[in-house]
Amino acid sequence: AQTVTQSQPEMSVQEAETVTLSCTYDTSESDYYLFWYKQPPSRQMILVIRQEAYKQQNATENRFSVNFQKAAKSFSLKISDSQLGDAAMYFCAYHRLFQGGSEKLVFGKGTKLTVNP
Amino acid sequence: EAGVTQFPSHSVIEKGQTVTLRCDPISGHDNLYWYRRVMGKEIKFLLHFVKESKQDESGMPNNRFLAERTGGTYSTLKVQPAELEDSGVYFCASSQIRGRPDTQYFGPGTRLTVL
Repeated sequence: AQTVTQSQPEMSVQEAETVTLSCTYDTSESDYYLFWYKQPPSRQMILVIRQEAYKQQNATENRFSVNFQKAAKSFSLKISDSQLGDAAMYFCAYHRLFQGGSEKLVFGKGTKLTVNP
Repeated sequence: EAGVTQFPSHSVIEKGQTVTLRCDPISGHDNLYWYRRVMGKEIKFLLHFVKESKQDESGMPNNRFLAERTGGTYSTLKVQPAELEDSGVYFCASSQIRGRPDTQYFGPGTRLTVL
């Protein structure tokens, strides 16, 4: 069964600095998708970035980028030039697509990011 | 375009009572998912609808949980009778594309407290 591990329950970063959130996963599949979602306090979860496993190039979205190491099954999120609005719970997720058409996300426990002014 | 909406945002009930949660997906999204996060634990998959059909309900905890999706539009999740361990945040998500991974858009969640 696929599992997703986020080993950092909490992280903090100074405004304008860079922080990296770690995520590892376990799978026997070769083709899959990985996602980072963020959930700000009292607000809904939104997609930060996604990575297709067949793509070797790391995904980037503005200040957010990933370091995808397929062999190591690692999918870390780097936030550059951190802003106060980046404070949130960050969830790493693995997308499972089954032959019959069912699909679901498998989540890690989350990392709570605090941004200090 | 309206996002995924959920109602109510909070619900406090007593053990043994019934509660019904509602989710309205993004218009045109065939896929609808329910997830649950119990305090301090991972967000766990409950079930997946494709239009009005249950594609996968392997994550439903037990037969006290009943999910429906009327006409392939909104969905309800009923818990009857509620137990203490059912407390948590229930998320609904929807996505458009079938057959390959697509971004799931989440609602704000319903926080359920069973006393």
